[in-house]
Amino acid sequence: ILNVEQSPQSLHVQEGDSTNFTCSFPSSNFYALHWYRWETAKSPEALFVMTLNGDEKKKGRISATLNTKEGYSYLYIKGSQPEDSATYLCASEGQDAGNMLTFGGGTRLMVKP
Amino acid sequence: GAVVSQHPSRVICKSGTSVKIECRSLDFQATTMFWYRQFPKKSLMLMATSNEGSKATYEQGVEKDKFLINHASLTLSTLTVTSAHPEDSSFYICSARIRGYSLREQYFGPGTRLTVT
Repeated sequence: ILNVEQSPQSLHVQEGDSTNFTCSFPSSNFYALHWYRWETAKSPEALFVMTLNGDEKKKGRISATLNTKEGYSYLYIKGSQPEDSATYLCASEGQDAGNMLTFGGGTRLMVKP
Repeated sequence: GAVVSQHPSRVICKSGTSVKIECRSLDFQATTMFWYRQFPKKSLMLMATSNEGSKATYEQGVEKDKFLINHASLTLSTLTVTSAHPEDSSFYICSARIRGYSLREQYFGPGTRLTVT
């Protein structure tokens, strides 16, 4: 994998559903994986930064896992709420990259009440 | 904490004019600021990295004479789109890292929508 790819591009779920989406990134020269949440007309908000293989982080109903050997990360949202509606971005940071982030295209989540 | 502002949020200008976009860290000093551009339905693409008091580092394919970056202080970076053309119409967004912190988060501004007519 040469680029950072996210799937699906968009997702519609009902309030209360749990959901997850995927970020694939180059596993070579890996340093860190960042997740952001981006609501319309607001600044992207940092959710997680993960560096270690097998890392799992949690923030309220949102959690993320990291597999650096195979180059993927999952973001999970438990019991989705309408306020979770946003675009979720992941970005890969390589070694010696000067903190440069390579972003995926995002997953747009819409939660229907 | 860690709030980044951007001004203006939207700007419409005529072809041939220059537009300046400001990025400010409001409650912290920024080691480094980053400028990104987003084309419709595409990822955020890094344009350049700027460090206070030194020249910006531009990514391949980004014209430094076209997109002038000035990082005059630890809380302010500016991007000037010179002699703008319709193809420069895009969404521009900045981010900053907190000076002195080992955390690697970048804190983003809300972005600027530039339309060149």
